Amino acid sequence: DGGITQSPKYLFRKEGQNVTLSCEQNLNHDAMYWYRQDPGQGLRLIYYSQIVNDFQKGDIAEGYSVSREKKESFPLTVTSAQKNPTAFYLCASSRTGGVNEKLFFGSGTQLSVL
Amino acid sequence: DAKTTQPNSMESNEEEPVHLPCNHSTISGTDYIHWYRQLPSQGPEYVIHGLTSNVNNRMASLAIAEDRKSSTLILHRATLRDAAVYYCILRGGANNLFFGTGTRLTVIP
Repeated sequence: DGGITQSPKYLFRKEGQNVTLSCEQNLNHDAMYWYRQDPGQGLRLIYYSQIVNDFQKGDIAEGYSVSREKKESFPLTVTSAQKNPTAFYLCASSRTGGVNEKLFFGSGTQLSVL
Repeated sequence: DAKTTQPNSMESNEEEPVHLPCNHSTISGTDYIHWYRQLPSQGPEYVIHGLTSNVNNRMASLAIAEDRKSSTLILHRATLRDAAVYYCILRGGANNLFFGTGTRLTVIP
């Protein structure tokens, strides 16, 4: 089945630790996105990538880093600089970054701080 | 960035039609109107999108005002599986994807 796979579903981070969230898609999509969702809130854009080896900061990129070395993969690292990392993280993709393209979302990773 | 305004919550009886409104008075001419819905602890799911004309698909209909400053998502017969948070967003670019708090739809059996 085509789709987006996020792993792990739950992740715990210790103080001062970097953690990496995985996002893989087999839809052959060029564009990929990372969003953060806090309880009862909407989604906020962290980073996005419209093509391999290129990515751009979204609205809340501080404390996060990404890479896009392969078309199908867009991992997100939550660094120790992110002081409030507890949230639900969602990865999405679209065929291109065009405004007429619909987004496909993964099932999310819940990150909590120990 | 153009933003949208939606009611925080709405209720509907099962098998009744539901009209979910969205205001977007600052929409630009090239912004597409997208609707997604989200169940608890899941990623959002695409519902429908459009630019100027009304749109229909198997899930819903999208009615867009003539001046494009508002739109309405129409679920023709609400089922319990339609209970979710519905987001109306404007897409004007790859990074112009503002998801507000959406409308929480409760379907009453």
